[in-house]
Amino acid sequence: DTGVSQDPRHKITKRGQNVTFRCDPISEHNRLYWYRQTLGQGPEFLTYFQNEAQLEKSRLLSDRFSAERPKGSFSTLEIQRTEQGDSAMYLCATPTGGATDTQYFGPGTRLTVL
Amino acid sequence: AQKITQTQPGMFVQEKEAVTLDCTYDTSDQSYGLFWYKQPSSGEMIFLIYQGSYDEQNATEGRYSLNFQKARKSANLVISASQLGDSAMYFCAMREGLNFGNEKLTFGTGTRLTIIP
Repeated sequence: DTGVSQDPRHKITKRGQNVTFRCDPISEHNRLYWYRQTLGQGPEFLTYFQNEAQLEKSRLLSDRFSAERPKGSFSTLEIQRTEQGDSAMYLCATPTGGATDTQYFGPGTRLTVL
Repeated sequence: AQKITQTQPGMFVQEKEAVTLDCTYDTSDQSYGLFWYKQPSSGEMIFLIYQGSYDEQNATEGRYSLNFQKARKSANLVISASQLGDSAMYFCAMREGLNFGNEKLTFGTGTRLTIIP
């Protein structure tokens, strides 16, 4: 158990609907990352926060995607007007600190868009 | 160009044998870190081992070791005495620059390892 939790673990939605995922990181870490993993691929970076500030966004994050971290603790990732291509595992991670700053991942939210 | 290349989509290994999973990387940075993660069918990413670009010794963590060949830009994972529970996807990842405050990882496409009893 990495201490990073994500909710929900699974989400099935119809195309065109909006969905929101939540990540609760290890409490003392001020940086939080979102990745997306499609079938047969490794995770790909989407965005990251330092406290409540969103410092970097990937080109993968289209204008239908928005991420927030309102109080510098938990984070949400919203996808508007979902498309079948959004079907993926959405992973949240926080660094451990220390010399390696290894990222510890949450269990992920598996999104299926019908 | 791919930053992380894993050329073995799948591997089958007999239980108790050692296995090497290949990873090559591409970066122009002098400071970088290399990571291996395991992803069982349940989906969570489990950190296994880390190697820094300036580390002179190959990293080891229990049954896992990283064969780091800097000149060849390779960072192969070696699992000794494989167990049935080692069956999973394995991902190689790189963090470039090692700047404080940005731990963004770039992942390869993974290798699916299956341990045969």
